[in-house]
Amino acid sequence: RKEVEQDPGPFNVPEGATVAFNCTYSNSASQSFFWYRQDCRKEPKLLMSVYSSGNEDGRFTAQLNRASQYISLLIRDSKLSDSATYLCVVNVSGGGADGLTFGKGTHLIIQP
Amino acid sequence: ETGVTQSPTHLIKTRGQQVTLRCSSQSGHNTVSWYQQALGQGPQFIFQYYREEENGRGNFPPRFSGLQFPNYSSELNVNALELDDSALYLCASSTGQNYGYTFGSGTRLTVV
Repeated sequence: RKEVEQDPGPFNVPEGATVAFNCTYSNSASQSFFWYRQDCRKEPKLLMSVYSSGNEDGRFTAQLNRASQYISLLIRDSKLSDSATYLCVVNVSGGGADGLTFGKGTHLIIQP
Repeated sequence: ETGVTQSPTHLIKTRGQQVTLRCSSQSGHNTVSWYQQALGQGPQFIFQYYREEENGRGNFPPRFSGLQFPNYSSELNVNALELDDSALYLCASSTGQNYGYTFGSGTRLTVV
């Protein structure tokens, strides 16, 4: 079983629609969780951290379910500029000594 | 405040050669980690340095080695290059806490 699993997509979504991604993680001891965005041939960039209480940043909402070991990302009113690969990321140890564990990413294409 | 910078941006090496990649961490960040990202995959953790000591390592062979300097910049060295080492190598810095990491734009290594 992979440590962090995501649906690779691609998700083809019309502009203005709402889209949701999920990912699951296998290590129940994982301590911190993130969504990163990666544009083609660029570096990953932190989109948002994910907390059990849920957190929102503009059009983006992230949620963590520790009991089910899954993380979600919701994008409302999608824009053409949201087209990218979204990486689900887990940090197992507090000090980061195990590094970040990435999913393979979900490819999102927003269509005009 | 400068971000994470990596050099060189692109590199072509022959199988069996050695390569050194460099990274300058973001100001105020004392932790540097390195990742390998093959095409179509998420980044894979190589190792992490905290205050000049390696404090975490992923599933990479010993021919992948590194250093961190007193100014927190870092090097990744790869000996005896193999064709499968062709990838984007990403450096990420952080404060070592459970916060998101900032990535450099990467070095694209091609082994022929």
